[in-house]
Amino acid sequence: QVQLLQSGAEVKNPGASVKVSCKASGYTFSGYYLHWVRQAPGQGLEWMASINTNNGNTNFAQEFRDRVTMTRDTSISTAYLELSGLRFDDTAVYFCVRDVRFLGPDNYFYFYMDVWGKGTTVSVSS
Amino acid sequence: QAVLTQSPSASGTPGQRVTISCSGSRSNIGSNTVNWYQQFPGTAPQLLIHSNDQRPSGVPDRFSGSKSGTSASLAISGLQSDDESDYYCAAWDDSLNGPVFGGGTKLTVL
Repeated sequence: QVQLLQSGAEVKNPGASVKVSCKASGYTFSGYYLHWVRQAPGQGLEWMASINTNNGNTNFAQEFRDRVTMTRDTSISTAYLELSGLRFDDTAVYFCVRDVRFLGPDNYFYFYMDVWGKGTTVSVSS
Repeated sequence: QAVLTQSPSASGTPGQRVTISCSGSRSNIGSNTVNWYQQFPGTAPQLLIHSNDQRPSGVPDRFSGSKSGTSASLAISGLQSDDESDYYCAAWDDSLNGPVFGGGTKLTVL
């Protein structure tokens, strides 16, 4: 079945960097975009970045543009998120998510996130 | 501050029908389709409704979605205790060139 397997929890000091991985299985890796969405404790969902796994092109939310790197290794069907300059408010669960997208016959852009990883907890603490 | 606006809470009694609303703008809901996610505590969100009103396989037909203009709604009929969770709306935003979410609605079954 389609799965996104994420790396384990991380504890980091402020100012450090963290790299989280997401290994896809059960489908053709390069056929779907992957995203990172995070959720701070008790808060809502926040989109961070996406990658076209076919050509490696990335897109970032404005607030993360200077601190986030998103890469992929197609040989092992794995995407990575690296977040630098960690702050206390980066403490969150980071989800890897697959999307489905297409232009419908009505000219609307159909986009939805259909498969979610279980999440990786990143704690920033001194 | 979430881009899409949802009421933070909703409630209903078993068997009742409840509606959760989501408000956006022309660049997101007004131009693209709306999706809804259900999230239980300590777990990842799960796709509940996509493309405004489509249910993925396995989602009961008690759940339905609709969209009009720059707003969308999720309706849950025959409310059950198992429906108690957080619900998020989402849509692609053309201005931000990425997906945006609502702040989430916590549904309580009384």
